Amino acid sequence: KAGVTQTPRYLIKTRGQQVTLSCSPISGHRSVSWYQQTPGQGLQFLFEYFSETQRNKGNFPGRFSGRQFSNSRSEMNVSTLELGDSALYLCASSLVQGFDEQYFGPGTRLTVT
Amino acid sequence: AQTVTQSQPEMSVQEAETVTLSCTYDTSESNYYLFWYKQPPSRQMILVIRQEAYKQQNATENRFSVNFQKAAKSFSLKISDSQLGDTAMYFCAFMTLTGNQFYFGTGTSLTVIP
Repeated sequence: KAGVTQTPRYLIKTRGQQVTLSCSPISGHRSVSWYQQTPGQGLQFLFEYFSETQRNKGNFPGRFSGRQFSNSRSEMNVSTLELGDSALYLCASSLVQGFDEQYFGPGTRLTVT
Repeated sequence: AQTVTQSQPEMSVQEAETVTLSCTYDTSESNYYLFWYKQPPSRQMILVIRQEAYKQQNATENRFSVNFQKAAKSFSLKISDSQLGDTAMYFCAFMTLTGNQFYFGTGTSLTVIP
Protein backbone atom coordinates (compact mmCIF):
# COMPACT_ATOMS: atom_id res chain seq x y z
CA LYS A 1 0.00 0.00 0.00
CA ALA A 2 1.41 3.37 -0.98
CA GLY A 3 2.24 5.80 1.79
CA VAL A 4 1.26 9.40 2.23
CA THR A 5 2.53 11.54 -0.60
CA GLN A 6 3.03 15.27 -0.65
CA THR A 7 3.68 17.52 -3.62
CA PRO A 8 5.72 19.45 -4.32
CA ARG A 9 8.61 18.41 -2.09
CA TYR A 10 10.34 21.78 -2.32
CA LEU A 11 9.00 25.21 -3.07
CA ILE A 12 10.45 28.70 -3.15
CA LYS A 13 8.08 31.65 -3.06
CA THR A 14 8.32 35.38 -2.59
CA ARG A 15 6.71 37.39 0.19
CA GLY A 16 3.16 38.32 -0.63
CA GLN A 17 2.56 35.40 -2.95
CA GLN A 18 0.26 32.52 -2.21
CA VAL A 19 1.02 28.81 -2.29
CA THR A 20 -0.94 25.57 -2.47
CA LEU A 21 0.41 22.31 -1.11
CA SER A 22 -1.09 18.91 -1.84
CA CYS A 23 -1.38 15.76 0.22
CA SER A 24 -2.60 12.34 -0.89
CA PRO A 25 -3.43 10.07 2.04
CA ILE A 26 -3.01 6.35 2.25
CA SER A 27 -5.73 4.59 0.32
CA GLY A 28 -8.77 4.17 2.54
CA HIS A 29 -7.73 6.84 5.01
CA ARG A 30 -10.33 9.57 5.38
CA SER A 31 -8.62 11.94 7.78
CA VAL A 32 -5.84 14.32 6.82
CA SER A 33 -4.05 16.59 9.27
CA TRP A 34 -1.55 19.31 8.51
CA TYR A 35 1.40 20.43 10.63
CA GLN A 36 4.00 23.17 10.38
CA GLN A 37 7.52 22.31 11.52
CA THR A 38 10.06 25.07 12.17
CA PRO A 39 13.29 25.07 14.16
CA GLY A 40 11.96 27.76 16.48
CA GLN A 41 8.39 26.63 17.08
CA GLY A 42 8.76 22.91 16.54
CA LEU A 43 5.76 21.01 15.26
CA GLN A 44 2.46 22.79 15.37
CA PHE A 45 -0.95 21.49 14.40
CA LEU A 46 -2.67 23.45 11.66
CA PHE A 47 -5.95 21.67 10.96
CA GLU A 48 -7.61 18.34 10.35
CA TYR A 49 -10.02 17.38 7.62
CA PHE A 50 -12.36 14.44 7.65
CA SER A 51 -15.02 13.66 5.06
CA GLU A 52 -14.36 16.96 3.29
CA THR A 53 -15.01 18.99 6.44
CA GLN A 54 -12.57 20.78 8.70
CA ARG A 55 -12.97 19.10 12.08
CA ASN A 56 -10.24 20.66 14.15
CA LYS A 57 -8.11 23.75 13.87
CA GLY A 58 -4.92 24.90 15.51
CA ASN A 59 -3.95 28.44 16.38
CA PHE A 60 -2.94 29.84 13.00
CA PRO A 61 -4.13 32.99 11.21
CA GLY A 62 -6.77 32.89 8.52
CA ARG A 63 -4.09 33.09 5.84
CA PHE A 64 -3.77 29.36 6.35
CA SER A 65 -6.64 27.42 4.89
CA GLY A 66 -7.31 24.01 3.50
CA ARG A 67 -9.79 21.74 1.90
CA GLN A 68 -10.40 18.09 1.31
CA PHE A 69 -11.80 16.46 -1.77
CA SER A 70 -14.16 13.53 -2.08
CA ASN A 71 -11.22 11.19 -2.72
CA SER A 72 -9.73 12.36 0.64
CA ARG A 73 -6.88 14.22 -1.02
CA SER A 74 -6.24 17.48 0.75
CA GLU A 75 -4.76 20.82 -0.18
CA MET A 76 -3.40 23.51 2.08
CA ASN A 77 -3.25 27.11 0.98
CA VAL A 78 -1.24 29.94 2.44
CA SER A 79 -2.01 33.42 1.17
CA THR A 80 0.07 36.58 1.48
CA LEU A 81 3.19 34.68 2.38
CA GLU A 82 5.48 36.00 5.10
CA LEU A 83 9.12 35.15 5.75
CA GLY A 84 8.03 33.36 8.92
CA ASP A 85 5.99 30.91 6.88
CA SER A 86 9.19 29.22 5.77
CA ALA A 87 8.88 25.74 7.19
CA LEU A 88 8.46 22.07 6.54
CA TYR A 89 4.77 21.35 6.11
CA LEU A 90 3.80 17.83 7.03
CA CYS A 91 0.55 16.10 6.40
CA ALA A 92 -0.59 12.94 8.09
CA SER A 93 -3.43 10.60 7.32
CA SER A 94 -5.41 8.25 9.49
CA LEU A 95 -8.22 5.86 8.95
CA VAL A 96 -10.74 7.69 11.07
CA GLN A 97 -11.22 11.17 12.47
CA GLY A 98 -8.76 12.14 15.13
CA PHE A 99 -5.05 11.73 15.47
CA ASP A 100 -4.73 8.12 16.44
CA GLU A 101 -2.44 6.04 14.24
CA GLN A 102 -1.29 8.89 12.04
CA TYR A 103 0.96 8.16 9.08
CA PHE A 104 3.09 11.07 7.99
CA GLY A 105 4.18 12.16 4.55
CA PRO A 106 7.70 13.33 3.70
CA GLY A 107 6.71 16.98 3.88
CA THR A 108 6.92 20.01 1.62
CA ARG A 109 9.82 22.36 2.32
CA LEU A 110 8.58 25.90 1.73
CA THR A 111 11.07 28.74 1.57
CA VAL A 112 9.77 32.30 1.47
CA THR A 113 12.23 34.94 0.27
CA ALA B 1 -3.95 24.67 27.55
CA GLN B 2 -1.90 21.57 27.13
CA THR B 3 1.88 21.71 26.95
CA VAL B 4 4.49 19.08 26.22
CA THR B 5 8.05 19.57 27.43
CA GLN B 6 11.13 17.71 26.34
CA SER B 7 13.99 19.04 28.43
CA GLN B 8 16.80 17.25 26.59
CA PRO B 9 17.46 18.90 23.21
CA GLU B 10 20.28 16.48 22.39
CA MET B 11 21.39 13.12 23.64
CA SER B 12 23.85 10.46 22.59
CA VAL B 13 24.24 6.79 23.43
CA GLN B 14 26.71 4.08 22.57
CA GLU B 15 25.49 1.36 20.29
CA ALA B 16 23.90 -1.54 22.21
CA GLU B 17 23.43 0.60 25.32
CA THR B 18 20.16 1.83 26.81
CA VAL B 19 18.96 5.42 26.75
CA THR B 20 15.94 7.17 28.25
CA LEU B 21 14.34 10.25 26.75
CA SER B 22 12.26 12.45 29.04
CA CYS B 23 8.89 14.05 28.44
CA THR B 24 6.55 15.86 30.75
CA TYR B 25 3.18 17.32 29.96
CA ASP B 26 0.59 19.48 31.53
CA THR B 27 -3.13 18.93 31.21
CA SER B 28 -6.29 19.11 33.24
CA GLU B 29 -7.88 16.30 31.29
CA SER B 30 -8.15 12.80 32.70
CA ASN B 31 -8.35 10.88 29.46
CA TYR B 32 -5.85 11.36 26.69
CA TYR B 33 -3.26 9.64 24.55
CA LEU B 34 0.49 10.01 24.57
CA PHE B 35 2.83 9.18 21.72
CA TRP B 36 6.48 9.02 20.83
CA TYR B 37 7.32 9.75 17.21
CA LYS B 38 10.65 9.27 15.48
CA GLN B 39 11.87 11.48 12.63
CA PRO B 40 15.09 10.13 11.08
CA PRO B 41 17.26 12.57 9.14
CA SER B 42 15.55 13.44 5.86
CA ARG B 43 13.01 10.73 6.38
CA GLN B 44 9.37 10.54 7.29
CA MET B 45 8.07 10.72 10.82
CA ILE B 46 6.87 7.42 12.16
CA LEU B 47 5.01 6.38 15.27
CA VAL B 48 7.20 4.55 17.78
CA ILE B 49 4.81 3.87 20.62
CA ARG B 50 1.53 5.06 22.10
CA GLN B 51 0.00 4.99 25.56
CA GLU B 52 -3.61 5.43 26.61
CA ALA B 53 -3.86 7.42 29.83
CA TYR B 54 -6.47 5.11 31.31
CA LYS B 55 -4.12 2.13 31.07
CA GLN B 56 -1.80 1.65 34.01
CA GLN B 57 0.40 -0.82 32.20
CA ASN B 58 3.33 0.74 30.39
CA ALA B 59 3.35 0.24 26.62
CA THR B 60 6.14 -1.77 25.02
CA GLU B 61 7.12 -2.22 21.38
CA ASN B 62 10.13 -4.47 20.93
CA ARG B 63 13.17 -2.46 22.12
CA PHE B 64 11.04 0.58 22.94
CA SER B 65 9.17 0.97 26.19
CA VAL B 66 7.66 3.83 28.14
CA ASN B 67 7.53 4.76 31.78
CA PHE B 68 4.16 6.44 32.20
CA GLN B 69 3.67 8.22 35.51
CA LYS B 70 0.21 9.78 35.30
CA ALA B 71 0.30 11.57 38.63
CA ALA B 72 3.66 13.11 37.81
CA LYS B 73 2.57 13.76 34.21
CA SER B 74 5.69 12.10 32.95
CA PHE B 75 6.09 9.93 29.86
CA SER B 76 9.65 8.82 29.22
CA LEU B 77 10.86 6.59 26.39
CA LYS B 78 13.44 3.88 26.98
CA ILE B 79 15.35 2.49 24.05
CA SER B 80 17.18 -0.73 24.80
CA ASP B 81 20.05 -2.21 22.76
CA SER B 82 20.39 1.04 20.80
CA GLN B 83 21.08 0.65 17.09
CA LEU B 84 22.57 3.06 14.56
CA GLY B 85 19.17 3.27 12.91
CA ASP B 86 17.75 4.75 16.08
CA THR B 87 19.57 8.00 15.31
CA ALA B 88 16.74 10.47 14.83
CA MET B 89 14.74 13.30 16.30
CA TYR B 90 12.25 11.99 18.83
CA PHE B 91 9.06 13.85 19.55
CA CYS B 92 6.75 13.32 22.46
CA ALA B 93 3.12 14.14 21.65
CA PHE B 94 -0.14 14.52 23.47
CA MET B 95 -3.64 14.13 22.13
CA THR B 96 -6.81 15.25 23.85
CA LEU B 97 -9.97 13.29 23.54
CA THR B 98 -12.27 16.21 24.24
CA GLY B 99 -10.71 19.00 22.23
CA ASN B 100 -9.31 16.86 19.47
CA GLN B 101 -6.06 18.75 19.59
CA PHE B 102 -2.59 17.37 19.08
CA TYR B 103 0.51 18.82 20.73
CA PHE B 104 4.15 17.99 20.07
CA GLY B 105 7.15 18.59 22.28
CA THR B 106 10.18 20.38 20.87
CA GLY B 107 12.01 17.13 20.27
CA THR B 108 15.17 15.38 21.41
CA SER B 109 17.90 14.72 18.89
CA LEU B 110 19.35 11.29 19.62
CA THR B 111 22.65 10.14 18.15
CA VAL B 112 23.72 6.53 18.43
CA ILE B 113 27.51 6.27 18.43
CA PRO B 114 29.12 3.18 16.93
